[in-house]
Amino acid sequence: EVQLVESGGGLVQPGGSLKLSCVASGFSFSSYEMNWVRQAPGKGLEWVSYISSGGNSIYYADSVKGRFTISRDNAKNSLSLQVKSLRAEDTAIYYCARWLQDSYYGMDVWGQGTTVTVSS
Amino acid sequence: SYELTQPPSVSVSPGQTARITCSGDALPKQYAFWFQQKPGRAPVLLIYKDNQRPSGIPERFSGSSSGTTVTLTISGVQAEDEADYYCQSAATSGYVFGTGTKVTVL
Repeated sequence: EVQLVESGGGLVQPGGSLKLSCVASGFSFSSYEMNWVRQAPGKGLEWVSYISSGGNSIYYADSVKGRFTISRDNAKNSLSLQVKSLRAEDTAIYYCARWLQDSYYGMDVWGQGTTVTVSS
Repeated sequence: SYELTQPPSVSVSPGQTARITCSGDALPKQYAFWFQQKPGRAPVLLIYKDNQRPSGIPERFSGSSSGTTVTLTISGVQAEDEADYYCQSAATSGYVFGTGTKVTVL
């Protein structure tokens, strides 16, 4: 079964850090570009970060640039998002989503999400 | 920053047709994608490359493009189609999602 499973969310104080993880199974992880997308409570979807299949190309939303770091380990079929200097507005469900490399098939598989709550 | 604009809400009776628009200046040059999200669930890809349906997506969902506006059409709306819908496209460095549209089935 094709699956993405996120973990690592939790309650953290403003200014704190977390490392979110996404583990892939059931498909060739190294053939897919990966994205993190978040959704604040009661709000819409916000794209957060992208990493190419080989990890050579990385992009961030302006709202997280300089504070978040995306990475991947194709040998372990895993994607990570290191989040630092957290703010209340980073409170959200964080989803990972795959995109077949060099295609226009879109974000066709998503994980169930992991919740990050930033509060004192 | 680049934005994709959608109407906040659309209401439709069962069996009728719902149309959800998404407007953005770069849409003539970039493909659009559509997602459906039900409460407490992850988004599901409905349409890719403006008008293509992934396997398993019902034929009543279709996409079209005209200039700076793309449209998701739901023909013969069913009660189970009540959900939030988001368009998505490419930005200068990364991606952007539309503001989202809540579809209510009357």
